[in-house]
Amino acid sequence: NAGVTQTPKFRVLKTGQSMTLLCAQDMNHEYMYWYRQDPGMGLRLIHYSVGEGTTAKGEVPDGYNVSRLKKQNFLLGLESAAPSQTSVYFCASTQTVLSYEQYFGPGTRLTVT
Amino acid sequence: GENVEQHPSTLSVQEGDSAVIKCTYSDSASNYFPWYKQELGKGPQLIIDIRSNVGEKKDQRIAVTLNKTAKHFSLHITETQPEDSAVYFCAASSNDYKLSFGAGTTVTVRA
Repeated sequence: NAGVTQTPKFRVLKTGQSMTLLCAQDMNHEYMYWYRQDPGMGLRLIHYSVGEGTTAKGEVPDGYNVSRLKKQNFLLGLESAAPSQTSVYFCASTQTVLSYEQYFGPGTRLTVT
Repeated sequence: GENVEQHPSTLSVQEGDSAVIKCTYSDSASNYFPWYKQELGKGPQLIIDIRSNVGEKKDQRIAVTLNKTAKHFSLHITETQPEDSAVYFCAASSNDYKLSFGAGTTVTVRA
């Protein structure tokens, strides 16, 4: 079991460029999440999904879009990157049946210049 | 929405001593309070959680206490070891699956 994997691990973008972060989980989890982590601010929820084909906004959704076309994948898109989106992005998933423990990926460090 | 405050932001302890991290929450409907540990370069990992129908929970050297009336909960680590050095996050939720995290506490255990 790989658990939760994230691609890429690092990325540098110029302002205005677009990119997609990929999250994949092999645990058959229903719920998936995208967070951003900034110094002194903890983890803030960007978007989440409670099942294949569904997405919902979290605490800080502006400037991001997501898609959950397959149960195991959750994509986070930045259409026009801004320096304020420089952050470490974490994906997580949870099964919701026996436990609501969230399993996190290793993170993607994104720098927007 | 839920607002979770966490203190202190940094904590340095001598190996073998205890460490205590405190969190407060604003939403009285919150009923699930997990704690996550994040080691350098990794994603957070659940270490212990507590529900609002329980006042205290222990797992070896780690314990969590909850005071619903005061809306605060705490993480206690006893007999700290170097491997306890990490960033710790508290979180609160009223529906189990959507968490609001505190800002984190960086714990350093001095040998």
